[in-house]
Amino acid sequence: DQQVKQNSPSLSVQEGRISILNCDYTNSMFDYFLWYKKYPAEGPTFLISISSIKDKNEDGRFTVFLNKSAKHLSLHIVPSQPGDSAVYFCAASGTGTASKLTFGTGTRLQVTL
Amino acid sequence: EAQVTQNPRYLITVTGKKLTVTCSQNMNHEYMSWYRQDPGLGLRQIYYSMNVEVTDKGDVPEGYKVSRKEKRNFPLILESPSPNQTSLYFCASSAVAYTRETQYFGPGTRLLVL
Repeated sequence: DQQVKQNSPSLSVQEGRISILNCDYTNSMFDYFLWYKKYPAEGPTFLISISSIKDKNEDGRFTVFLNKSAKHLSLHIVPSQPGDSAVYFCAASGTGTASKLTFGTGTRLQVTL
Repeated sequence: EAQVTQNPRYLITVTGKKLTVTCSQNMNHEYMSWYRQDPGLGLRQIYYSMNVEVTDKGDVPEGYKVSRKEKRNFPLILESPSPNQTSLYFCASSAVAYTRETQYFGPGTRLLVL
């Protein structure tokens, strides 16, 4: 049972445009959400997170939006750059199991020139 | 340099031949975890450890063992590997268990079981 879902396996965006990566979750106990970025032959690296008490968190070109009623979050990258080409994983954790991360299946982002 | 290291990075083995994948972190982290990444399934947790001598099963522990005798090391043991354990494995660590501390991942170990 996939509790965190990323329904788009891949996404292609032109350099300079906005990239929007989506993630849905089913477990109501999740209250903290993260995005990790993964380049080939490397481990995932933390990108940005959001707590369920917020609906938006920004860090430079990266913004994560959380819609709790829809159990949906999205990562916006503006403007997209070729170096952003990677696989992006959405992850979630719940109260009482703070260290345990449940990951989505990943979205491969390709930023073209 | 703060890092999580894994060895080996690539491994080809045969069914039933015991193997160990090592994981070491130099950040004095309490929490360590093993994940496997498979196409269409994302990363799934195999085992985790809250501290020395404290380990517990994750979502997919069957066929794996772990130990945490020292804080820095968290080896993953496959006593009798099978082809369905062919996967990309990641070790991760974070500073304090039971918190939202960022998890840092190793570079991965790609395992092929024939």
